[in-house]
Amino acid sequence: DVKVTQSSRYLVKRTGEKVFLECVQDMDHENMFWYRQDPGLGLRLIYFSYDVKMKEKGDIPEGYSVSREKKERFSLILESASTNQTSMYLCASRGPGLAGGSLGEQYFGPGTRLTVT
Amino acid sequence: RKEVEQDPGPFNVPEGATVAFNCTYSNSASQSFFWYRQDCRKEPKLLMSVYSSGNEDGRFTAQLNRASQYISLLIRDSKLSDSATYLCVVTRSGNTGKLIFGQGTTLQVKP
Repeated sequence: DVKVTQSSRYLVKRTGEKVFLECVQDMDHENMFWYRQDPGLGLRLIYFSYDVKMKEKGDIPEGYSVSREKKERFSLILESASTNQTSMYLCASRGPGLAGGSLGEQYFGPGTRLTVT
Repeated sequence: RKEVEQDPGPFNVPEGATVAFNCTYSNSASQSFFWYRQDCRKEPKLLMSVYSSGNEDGRFTAQLNRASQYISLLIRDSKLSDSATYLCVVTRSGNTGKLIFGQGTTLQVKP
């Protein structure tokens, strides 16, 4: 059974703090993703990584950076937290492709609800 | 215009009803399509992939209309446990791996 874990379920930080969100998957997946989810906006991709030390910007990378030093771990970093980064953060990893060329399933972690005050 | 559009609902239906959700996407180059389910305060989970020929999984049927850039999900004989938010998901272009999520359609099944 695939497991994606995130370091915290709830986090409260102050404006200007550096914030680290950790994500670990146990299925040896190459692809990992960070999203944020906000009411009315759905899930939006922040960054993704298709291999160790490789990363690509998603749709909303501003104010964020990522680190992938080991295959199983993908970290999201808020260099200087701001109130508009208050959100639910979801990490995901993706399994291998399916027959017919379809993408594999994305497995999500339980999410981290971050509040920046 | 959003890349993936869904009616947010909520859809309130009685147990046993049949309910259908639609979703439109703007990028004709999208190649992979999915429905994910998200329970309240939980993470999204894959419900089913959507294939060109349409596919069925028990009470759930998914259809894809590439010409109209439209995906549907039909749920027959609704159960209380079907209450959730259903997310329509497509790849941005080709099969690059970037998924675009609709904001979701909320279903509430009442006894």
